[in-house]
Amino acid sequence: DAGVTQSPTHLIKTRGQQVTLRCSPKSGHDTVSWYQQALGQGPQFIFQYYEEEERQRGNFPDRFSGHQFPNYSSELNVNALLLGDSALYLCASSYLRDRGGEQYFGPGTRLTVT
Amino acid sequence: QKEVEQNSGPLSVPEGAIASLNCTYSDRGSQSFFWYRQYSGKSPELIMSIYSNGDKEDGRFTAQLNKASQYVSLLIRDSQPSDSATYLCAVKWNYGQNFVFGPGTRLSVLP
Repeated sequence: DAGVTQSPTHLIKTRGQQVTLRCSPKSGHDTVSWYQQALGQGPQFIFQYYEEEERQRGNFPDRFSGHQFPNYSSELNVNALLLGDSALYLCASSYLRDRGGEQYFGPGTRLTVT
Repeated sequence: QKEVEQNSGPLSVPEGAIASLNCTYSDRGSQSFFWYRQYSGKSPELIMSIYSNGDKEDGRFTAQLNKASQYVSLLIRDSQPSDSATYLCAVKWNYGQNFVFGPGTRLSVLP
């Protein structure tokens, strides 16, 4: 049973550039949530996708956008990168109708902006 | 504003002791509660979930929930050096699907 996968593992970008991160959910899951985790902090919710639509969004600027595909995989796009965007980006998958709503994380993408 | 608070630690316990990790949250409209373990440089791993008041046990781990006091805790019995990690508390509210995470408590189990 494949777990949540993310690519790439690491990424180095320059300020002002754009980046796309990818996520494939755990088998049987239909919902993908994205989080940003700065060093020494807990993950911060960016947004969640279900049925190819953004269902909920955290307190992140419009530079952060996403997409979900018919196979439930998802992308996170960040435009006009800032130094402060350097963080671990985590994708979590879940099954929307699961009462508990347990989310399972992928290995993350470490983004460094120079 | 939904907030989740944890003591950042580090919490140091000797091998074989009980480690007690605590978490408080700000809003009574909460639904589900989760504990994640995160090793340095790795992603969070789900170890426990709890939805009702009381205790839930899974191996060496026990989660305790008290919704009236807005308090959830994780006990780790017979702590091992391999339990040394950051433990994240997460809360899912009734309205919405996202989790709100606390800052995490760093646990160090000393051999």
